[in-house]
Amino acid sequence: DTGVSQNPRHKITKRGQNVTFRCDPISEHNRLYWYRQTLGQGPEFLTYFQNEAQLEKSRLLSDRFSAERPKGSFSTLEIQRTEQGDSAMYLCASSSRQIEAFFGQGTRLTVV
Amino acid sequence: QKEVEQNSGPLSVPEGAIASLNCTYSDRGSQSFFWYRQYSGKSPELIMFIYSNGDKEDGRFTAQLNKASQYVSLLIRDSQPSDSATYLCAGDNYGQNFVFGPGTRLSVLP
Repeated sequence: DTGVSQNPRHKITKRGQNVTFRCDPISEHNRLYWYRQTLGQGPEFLTYFQNEAQLEKSRLLSDRFSAERPKGSFSTLEIQRTEQGDSAMYLCASSSRQIEAFFGQGTRLTVV
Repeated sequence: QKEVEQNSGPLSVPEGAIASLNCTYSDRGSQSFFWYRQYSGKSPELIMFIYSNGDKEDGRFTAQLNKASQYVSLLIRDSQPSDSATYLCAGDNYGQNFVFGPGTRLSVLP
């Protein structure tokens, strides 16, 4: 399968714990996006990378969120001191140009 | 604030009918528009994109774009129960990222 891969698929964590998600984009894609989606809403932009450079972060992204894309390959999204409001589906997408972006399966986070 | 608006639905159509999904956007700077299908509990799946005024057809799907009216639509011909899903409209944000609408739930009744 050469699509976008995200791990883990599901994560349950206690409030206050840190969590890290991983995204492996389609291999030739230089752009990688992170979105968050809650029930009944469309995906909400968090941040994106072109190669290893993080070019934009949403103002909605608090300091507890950090993302990296070392060497322009896979990316990680870390949430520190999780809160119940962080419960959502975290989606990663990649594209080779600003035309088509393809999403991974998502990571569903539940903070209890 | 760039916004993409959609009627949340649900939109119900009988099997075999044409489903018409609509989307409006606030930013005239948006150049490309995308339609994604999302089944419950799954991630969005790209159906098609359009960046020129007019119609673009792909199988049973036709996307329509009217930049003067800031309006995008998706027509699904010969709707099938398997088309029942949420359809997300998205616009590009000056080539930086994508802005999504809330989605329209479509229900195709057998």
